[in-house]
Amino acid sequence: DIQMTQSPSPLSASVGDRVTITCRASQSITKWLAWYQLKPGKAPKLLIYQASTLESGVPSRFSGSGSGTEFTLTISSLQPDDFASYYCQQYSSYPVTFGQGTKVEIK
Amino acid sequence: QVQTVQSGTEVKYPGASVRVSCKVSGYTFTSYGISWLRQAPGQGLEWLGWISGNNGETRYAQNFQGRLTMTTDISTSTAYMELRSLRPDDTSVYFCARDVGSRVFQHWGQGTLVTVSS
Repeated sequence: DIQMTQSPSPLSASVGDRVTITCRASQSITKWLAWYQLKPGKAPKLLIYQASTLESGVPSRFSGSGSGTEFTLTISSLQPDDFASYYCQQYSSYPVTFGQGTKVEIK
Repeated sequence: QVQTVQSGTEVKYPGASVRVSCKVSGYTFTSYGISWLRQAPGQGLEWLGWISGNNGETRYAQNFQGRLTMTTDISTSTAYMELRSLRPDDTSVYFCARDVGSRVFQHWGQGTLVTVSS
């Protein structure tokens, strides 16, 4: 199975900060990476797929980059609604696997 | 708009089975598959498997082969996930999500807590 490792965890930040989360794959997944936002008691939300394609309706302050084994999710200016957990997921091969998550906390 | 509504909380004894439903609306059910995932308390996400909304074809994660069955009812745009021989470590929130292909998950349900305890 492909192992996905996220850093940092957790991440403490303030409203307005630029935030970057890194996701590393144990082998190349080319561009087959997605990012999700999870909040307790709410339906998870797809943010980005194919490493850098923004899902419809997701604010443009979210962006993704990377290829191969190293990827990043960036929030350009953190908003109050963005305090949540973020997970990367590879879909290059079965079984699809997720990172362990990064919780973005209020500093 | 797309809505995904799951059935409610379940409490089961070890060895029992659970069936969770996932009713979708706002799109043509047969145009997309449904994937099921879970998140154990304090843990990350785990993919269980996928079912085609068109022909019922399934693909299950190896860890669940033999005790997991996914089905659909096209007439009601509902997908079902049944997990058998439940163990305490199956205690999780179970999610369904529209699968846009290649196992990318859009439009998740709100989650169904399944607790397995004696």
